[in-house]
Amino acid sequence: DGGITQSPKYLFRKEGQNVTLSCEQNLNHDAMYWYRQDPGQGLRLIYYSQIVNDFQKGDIAEGYSVSREKKESFPLTVTSAQKNPTAFYLCASSIGGSLTEAFFGQGTRLTVV
Amino acid sequence: GENVEQHPSTLSVQEGDSAVIKCTYSDSASNYFPWYKQELGKRPQLIIDIRSNVGEKKDQRIAVTLNKTAKHFSLHITETQPEDSAVYFCAASESGGGADGLTFGKGTHLIIQP
Repeated sequence: DGGITQSPKYLFRKEGQNVTLSCEQNLNHDAMYWYRQDPGQGLRLIYYSQIVNDFQKGDIAEGYSVSREKKESFPLTVTSAQKNPTAFYLCASSIGGSLTEAFFGQGTRLTVV
Repeated sequence: GENVEQHPSTLSVQEGDSAVIKCTYSDSASNYFPWYKQELGKRPQLIIDIRSNVGEKKDQRIAVTLNKTAKHFSLHITETQPEDSAVYFCAASESGGGADGLTFGKGTHLIIQP
């Protein structure tokens, strides 16, 4: 299951804290994505990046921030402004373009305590 | 933006029978339609995909059909086996020249009854 790695697998956050989820890929993919998965909601796009130093908001970007300083890394910060952060977060990458397969990491389960 | 509807949300079939999951999409410009399988606690994995210049694609027991006029596509699994039990997601990719991410359906929980 190499290629795209997320860490940690489980993360607990106190109210009012920012936390950062790691996503690293060694597939030499240009595009990277963050999705949020809630029960019965499918996967919803938070942010995506097509190239280093560039990223775009997805459908549910409020309360989240990202950076793309290196091609292989696309960390997601869940800020205190995100009102309901408890969810399963999935990072994905693809070669790029609209007709290419996305490869997913194993996910991070974030819980607010 | 794109909107993808997926039905049913839960599907229970007898082992050996066929299963069909249906999706509709809203953006006529979408041209890439993958299907992902997610087992409990694991990452989604691509099982089959289809592009808009193709009407049907088959890979062993799995097939996908696409009707661009009606804007719907379906996943067909024949001779179902216990290991087919999982959540299946359809998705559509908006064209526009960029890797702008997939829009997913809400998923179908497929249960294979022994």
